[in-house]
Amino acid sequence: QVQLQQWGAGLLKPSETLSLTCAVYGGSFSDYYWSWIRQPPGKGLEWIGEIDHSGSTNYNPSLKSRVTISVDTSKNQFSLKLSSVTAADTAVYYCGRRGVGATFYMDVWGKGTTVTVSS
Amino acid sequence: QSALTQPRSVSGSPGQSVTISCTGTSSDVGGFNYVSWYQQHPGKAPKLMIYDVSKRPSGVPDRFSGSKSGNTASLTISGLQAEDEADYYCCSYARIYTVVFGGGTKVTVL
Repeated sequence: QVQLQQWGAGLLKPSETLSLTCAVYGGSFSDYYWSWIRQPPGKGLEWIGEIDHSGSTNYNPSLKSRVTISVDTSKNQFSLKLSSVTAADTAVYYCGRRGVGATFYMDVWGKGTTVTVSS
Repeated sequence: QSALTQPRSVSGSPGQSVTISCTGTSSDVGGFNYVSWYQQHPGKAPKLMIYDVSKRPSGVPDRFSGSKSGNTASLTISGLQAEDEADYYCCSYARIYTVVFGGGTKVTVL
């Protein structure tokens, strides 16, 4: 059974860089895309982007200029960096798994990490 | 890339059916059969309920069903149960390997 365990700094100041990591336990790492999704307090879900084991990435156009997603296949981990954060980036951040090819849904999710941006 | 449009809330009594709509454009919902639906209970991660418009993952009750017509997808919950009270989000492929979510619908069991 695949499990995603995520961690990272929970409190940031404006202009700092958000950094989160998600580790994949169980199952194949190379057969999937690995995603980041966020949810501001009381609001809906927003897809941030994804990466596969080779480092191929896809990003939300509205966040692309500030987002970097990277992968460490030796540890079955992938990471999110979001630069120049503001209060609008305050959210619960989830990592998730998407199948490769013509599959565009996330079937496994991490538990979420709360990130607060405040001066 | 705009969020898909969902009603803010729907409600029904136990045993009844409720339907949640998800409206997009020909560039997302209408252009591809890649609509998925997620259930989210308070403080929990989303759970996949429907994928590829109408397919159910293993373990999801057959009370949950999905469909699509034109630019609008729908999730129907038949035989509503107390544990179905949650937020529901639709999601669609939106070209160039990106996906877009709906704003979410709160389902209340009366």
